[in-house]
Formats: sequence, C-alpha cells, structure tokens
Amino acid sequence: NAGVTQTPKFQVLKTGQSMTLQCAQDMNHEYMSWYRQDPGMGLRLIHYSVGAGITDQGEVPNGYNVSRSTTEDFPLRLLSAAPSQTSVYFCASSYSNLARETQYFGPGTRLLVL
Amino acid sequence: GDSVTQMEGPVTLSEEAFLTINCTYTATGYPSLFWYVQYPGEGLQLLLKATKADDKGSNKGFEATYRKETTSFHLEKGSVQVSDSAVYFCALRDNYGQNFVFGPGTRLSVLP
Repeated sequence: NAGVTQTPKFQVLKTGQSMTLQCAQDMNHEYMSWYRQDPGMGLRLIHYSVGAGITDQGEVPNGYNVSRSTTEDFPLRLLSAAPSQTSVYFCASSYSNLARETQYFGPGTRLLVL
Repeated sequence: GDSVTQMEGPVTLSEEAFLTINCTYTATGYPSLFWYVQYPGEGLQLLLKATKADDKGSNKGFEATYRKETTSFHLEKGSVQVSDSAVYFCALRDNYGQNFVFGPGTRLSVLP
C-alpha cells in the first residue's frame, strides 16, 4: 500500500492563480480530510468527506473547494490564490469518521503564494 | 471552543537526555487526548493516546498521562535518540467525537 499520497510536494503561485492539490489513498478509507498548518497554529480542518459524493466544510473553508467523485481521490482546489493561503497542506484518511484518531496523513504540500 | 497549547520549541537535546514536551488543553466534558509524531518528509502518525483521566498512553519509550486536574498531557521519554528528531503534535478529540483539535507542534532535535 502506498498509503496517502499528495502532489505536488511544493508549489509557488502568483496571487489570483488557480491550482489543484491532489490527494489519493489506496486503503479504501471512507473518511478523508484536508488540513492546513501555519506557524504557531495547529492543524486546522479545511474540508472533509465521509464518503464518495459527500463533502462538508471544516473550520477554515473559505477560498477552497473540494469534490469526492471516487473513494480514492479527494482533490483540493484553490480558485484564486491569495497570500493568506501560503501554508503547508496535509491530506488525511481514516476508515471512518469515528476512527480519525488513527487517520493516515500524507507528507504534505508546501504552498507559497506571492 | 476547544484548544490545545504546547511549547513550540525548537527543543534541542543531546542523545540519552530526558525529554518533556508540555501540552495543556481546554475542553468541555471528557476529551480523548493524543500525541502524533511527524518525521522529516513524512505525514503525521499516531504515537500514543489516552481516553480518560489518569490513563497513561505509551509507545516506543514515550509516555503521557491524562491529568484532568491540571488539564495536561505532557509527553516524556527517559532517554532520547537521534532517530526521535521530529515534530510532535498534541491533539484532542471532544467528548462527542466530532471535533478534532491539534496543537501547533513542537520540533525536537536530538544531537549525537
């Protein structure tokens, strides 16, 4: 098993550009989520999904869109990047919403918005 | 709302030194508490957990005790190794299992 994979590892964007951060898992997990990590702050939940076709907002959803067309993939879209979105982004998955303590994390995507 | 506070570091220790990373929390009810570790270039992984007061979680030589009276869950290890160099995150899950809150992480560097 590859676990949770994220691409790209690092990305530089200009303000106003759009991009998609990819996340995939091969463990048949129902629950997937996106977090951002900023200096001095813990991981904050952006969006999550409890299964294919179902998504919901987390703590900091503004400026981000997600979709879950398959169990395996959960891409995060930035429609118009802003410097405030400079952060490290983590994707995670777990067997279910109630099993999040053992959620598997990807290695992260470092995003710099100029 | 619920929150987790931990020392940010970086913490730099020599090999075989004693480690303590402090973690305190604010939550209603009886949250479950966790420590996660992130090794360089990897995602976070669960290190240990405790689900009720006075429980002690342990793994890989690390320990943490759920202290409700002081709302703390400090991480300890008696003798650190270079391979323990990583970022450590304290986290809680609320009483209803819906809200998961992470601390800011503490970077540990262990020198040979």
